[in-house]
Amino acid sequence: DAEITQSPRHKITETGRQVTLACHQTWNHNNMFWYRQDLGHGLRLIHYSYGVQDTNKGEVSDGYSVSRSNTEDLPLTLESAASSQTSVYFCASSDMGSNEQFFGPGTRLTVL
Amino acid sequence: AQSVTQPDIHITVSEGASLELRCNYSYGATPYLFWYVQSPGQGLQLLLKYFSGDTLVQGIKGFEAEFKRSQSSFNLRKPSVHWSDAAEYFCAVGLPRGLVFGKGTRLSVIA
Repeated sequence: DAEITQSPRHKITETGRQVTLACHQTWNHNNMFWYRQDLGHGLRLIHYSYGVQDTNKGEVSDGYSVSRSNTEDLPLTLESAASSQTSVYFCASSDMGSNEQFFGPGTRLTVL
Repeated sequence: AQSVTQPDIHITVSEGASLELRCNYSYGATPYLFWYVQSPGQGLQLLLKYFSGDTLVQGIKGFEAEFKRSQSSFNLRKPSVHWSDAAEYFCAVGLPRGLVFGKGTRLSVIA
């Protein structure tokens, strides 16, 4: 069955370190998204991609970057982790032209 | 700007009672609307979606939602709540650049 996976599921890191969260989907979807979830804020869009080599900033993109070198993967990089980036991160994908997104299980990131 | 409002942060209902979770959106065109459910420590599961057509949509787990354009609302309902329905519920509007979520409503179910 097609799925979307995220790794690691949990990570603890220190302020200032670079961190990369992986997202891999086997739906063969063109569109991929990264969200963060925080209490009182719901989910907010960080970055999104409509296809290989395409990336776009979302609502809360400062301090984050993504790259899309193939259809299946959209890794999220925190250039220099900050305590404010402690959150749960969700990756999602959707088919071209569709608004229906399928979510991964999430990565809980703690920045100390 | 597009936005989604879920007025109720937390709702408590008795098992077997009916449920309605409110959702209001702000969007100029005909919206794509979604309800997702999140159990503690889990990812998001799609309950139902509205794209067009019949304004009453059926979803999984016995949930339904009604799209009312005049009220800019997309309220989620269930006639009889089960203890396993305790979770966080998110309403979202679909845009080309991604989903805009409400802040969620936490549902507690008591015996």
